[in-house]
Amino acid sequence: DTGVSQDPRHKITKRGQNVTFRCDPISEHNRLYWYRQTLGQGPEFLTYFQNEAQLEKSRLLSDRFSAERPKGSFSTLEIQRTEQGDSAMYLCASNREGAGYTFGSGTRLTVV
Amino acid sequence: GNSVTQMEGPVTLSEEAFLTINCTYTATGYPSLFWYVQYPGEGLQLLLKATKADDKGSNKGFEATYRKETTSFHLEKGSVQVSDSAVYFCALSDLQAGKSTFGDGTTLTVKP
Repeated sequence: DTGVSQDPRHKITKRGQNVTFRCDPISEHNRLYWYRQTLGQGPEFLTYFQNEAQLEKSRLLSDRFSAERPKGSFSTLEIQRTEQGDSAMYLCASNREGAGYTFGSGTRLTVV
Repeated sequence: GNSVTQMEGPVTLSEEAFLTINCTYTATGYPSLFWYVQYPGEGLQLLLKATKADDKGSNKGFEATYRKETTSFHLEKGSVQVSDSAVYFCALSDLQAGKSTFGDGTTLTVKP
């Protein structure tokens, strides 16, 4: 069990550029989640998958955000036309239904 | 919708002091309740959980009891150590919905 891996750890991008983050969950976990966290706040739900199906997407998420989990394994989160307000820590977590989360270390996005 | 309210921090204690971090929640149905901890420079990790009323979760000397009548899940430890210095997040998970809702975290600093 190598835990939940996220790549990259840090990303600095210019406003208007597209960025993509990757998450590799624990292989036995069928659920995968994306959260966003800003300084002084708790993680805020973005979306989650059960196997390859995206079961819920936050209403706070604009159309610039999209996530995929092909074949129910790794997942990607893409942000198109980034804005300064997108700067945050993006967290991935996985679990089996009913269990607590195992979080990755996160990807810190800075939009300049 | 679901929500979690944690006592505001930061909390500063001397080593061996008693710790309580308050957490109350609002939820429909019967959620599971969790405490996560984030040590300096590390990702969030599950500390303990409780899945039904009157359950007590415990780990590393920390305890929390699921109180349905007061909708609370307060975190306690009888004697804190410097190594317990971290940010603590209370969370609830609605199994039907899948996602978790987090509080904003409470920063604990333990001084020798």
